[in-house]
Amino acid sequence: DVKVTQSSRYLVKRTGEKVFLECVQDMDHENMFWYRQDPGLGLRLIYFSYDVKMKEKGDIPEGYSVSREKKERFSLILESASTNQTSMYLCASSLFRVNNSPLHFGNGTRLTVT
Amino acid sequence: DQQVKQNSPSLSVQEGRISILNCDYTNSMFDYFLWYKKYPAEGPTFLISISSIKDKNEDGRFTVFLNKSAKHLSLHIVPSQPGDSAVYFCAASGLNTGTASKLTFGTGTRLQVTL
Repeated sequence: DVKVTQSSRYLVKRTGEKVFLECVQDMDHENMFWYRQDPGLGLRLIYFSYDVKMKEKGDIPEGYSVSREKKERFSLILESASTNQTSMYLCASSLFRVNNSPLHFGNGTRLTVT
Repeated sequence: DQQVKQNSPSLSVQEGRISILNCDYTNSMFDYFLWYKKYPAEGPTFLISISSIKDKNEDGRFTVFLNKSAKHLSLHIVPSQPGDSAVYFCAASGLNTGTASKLTFGTGTRLQVTL
């Protein structure tokens, strides 16, 4: 079974702090994704990566950056956290760069910015 | 601009009856559709998918129907079980989304199966 592990289940940060959300997958998947889930808005794609050191913006990249130095690890960075970034963050991975490759999700990190 | 829409935020169904969850999309370039199920405190898990070359795909109690002309798909669960109570997300992908494996999700429908 694919395992996608997000390092923290809950985080509380202050406005202006730099925040790192870490994600590791153990199945040698090429593709990794960061989504955020908000009530009434569903899952929205922040950034994704198809290879090491490669990144592409999703639908809502503003205020975020990412890092993929190793194939198994994809980090989401909030350079200066703001209250509107309070959300559930979900990391996912998939094997093939085709559209019939389901995403495998981690259990999420609930971030609260105060 | 919500390209994938789930207009019913919640649905309640009795155990043993059919659950029908609906999803509409606006982008005619979407060519692959998936349903995910999400329990509280867990990440979404893949449930079933359908390619645009088909109009139906069945997997056990779960069937997805696609009506391309109406840009509409639905998920049928028969019979519904209490363990099916979860939030269901519809998702779509296609060549126009930049890269084929990028998914666009709907807003979700919370299904509650009652005894």
